[in-house]
Amino acid sequence: QSALTQPASVSGSPGQAITIPCTGTSSDVGYYKYVSWYQQHPGKAPRLIIYDVTNRPSGVSCRFSASKSGNTASLTISGLQAEDEADYYCNSYTRSNSYVFGTGTKVTVL
Amino acid sequence: QVQLQESGPGLVKPSETLSLTCVVFGGSVTSNWWSWVRQPPGRGLEWIGETSHRGSNNYNPSLKSRVNMFVDTSKNQFSLRLNSVTAADTAVYYCAGHGDYYMDVWGKGTTVTVSS
Repeated sequence: QSALTQPASVSGSPGQAITIPCTGTSSDVGYYKYVSWYQQHPGKAPRLIIYDVTNRPSGVSCRFSASKSGNTASLTISGLQAEDEADYYCNSYTRSNSYVFGTGTKVTVL
Repeated sequence: QVQLQESGPGLVKPSETLSLTCVVFGGSVTSNWWSWVRQPPGRGLEWIGETSHRGSNNYNPSLKSRVNMFVDTSKNQFSLRLNSVTAADTAVYYCAGHGDYYMDVWGKGTTVTVSS
């Protein structure tokens, strides 16, 4: 299975909104509503920030939102803050009863 | 609150078997599916596979021939074995717990280097 496709980097100024796309196929992102997103700061473990396409776990800022259309899921960070500078990975369940991660996106706050 | 802790050798020789264990604290290993995820130096996350206490497993197709996972309910832990390792298996290995179709609890990760 191939990794989901994400841009290598996205940047924005404090207070701005940025969007990270995650493109899969009709066998993963396009088939299930089981897309999740993870934030990873350097040297740290990943942290779940979105599950089941649009849901935020308790304790995750409402500045994080997500959606899906066809084979592409998207994560939006509104009101960008310095603490949002991190790597972000999408993940999807697949028709092969497996999971696949995205290639990862480095978010830089200018 | 469930916490996970990985353990195992930090150095494995090429062609040998990598063995890691993840202990579940504050919860029961019988309550969830459990995954292993790895991250080579400077690279992205790769899902290795998942296991449950019922003896069911699902593996990454690219690693399936070399992977075995299992749960030990008596020790409240689950394990990963990856055989015939090469330098390409050098990575930080994370264990993670599932909430349905997502991984909501993660260990801190353990670094495994494959080298002679």
